[in-house]
Amino acid sequence: DTAVSQTPKYLVTQMGNDKSIKCEQNLGHDTMYWYKQDSKKFLKIMFSYNNKELIINETVPNRFSPKSPDKAHLNLHINSLELGDSAVYFCASSQPGLAGYYEQYFGPGTRLTVT
Amino acid sequence: AQSVSQHNHHVILSEAASLELGCNYSYGGTVNLFWYVQYPGQHLQLLLKYFSGDPLVKGIKGFEAEFIKSKFSFNLRKPSVQWSDTAEYFCAVNAGDDKIIFGKGTRLHILP
Repeated sequence: DTAVSQTPKYLVTQMGNDKSIKCEQNLGHDTMYWYKQDSKKFLKIMFSYNNKELIINETVPNRFSPKSPDKAHLNLHINSLELGDSAVYFCASSQPGLAGYYEQYFGPGTRLTVT
Repeated sequence: AQSVSQHNHHVILSEAASLELGCNYSYGGTVNLFWYVQYPGQHLQLLLKYFSGDPLVKGIKGFEAEFIKSKFSFNLRKPSVQWSDTAEYFCAVNAGDDKIIFGKGTRLHILP
């Protein structure tokens, strides 16, 4: 069973389009994340949701809107796509403990290419 | 603000060489520390973690890391690398809040 799954794995689209990436985790974790990994492999957190509530919202254009219908799902919708949005987007989940957060489990990634 | 520094951006080694990748963090309180590996074209996987106890932590695939609190460091080591260790390695820190901060990664290339 896949712990954290994302769809689609690859997404090629034109500038100006709107697209969504879906993420699901079956680990029972309360917290989910979206990360953007650029061409230099730098991993940057975008959003974090804890039990369907937004807890981290880094400096991300408001064209990016996360949606969490339940704690097992965290989808990412992107409006008016731009060339600079091309990257690999990783979903992750984690479970908070008494001493902070335990390790994150990552999805396989979605490679978004904007042409 | 918390930050994580990985000093080696790109490391090239021959097979059987010993490896040490540096990681320093900037936070004075209690931290949880992680090393992740990303093989080419794949997602991040946990190599090892430190929460408390023995500062020398052993992970998968023969990797280990040592937490030195006085140096704010959590360096990753492996006594003898293999070609299959070619990957990107990320150090990460959680200071008990909602965030896990990742370093910029070290690209390790092992020559066969």
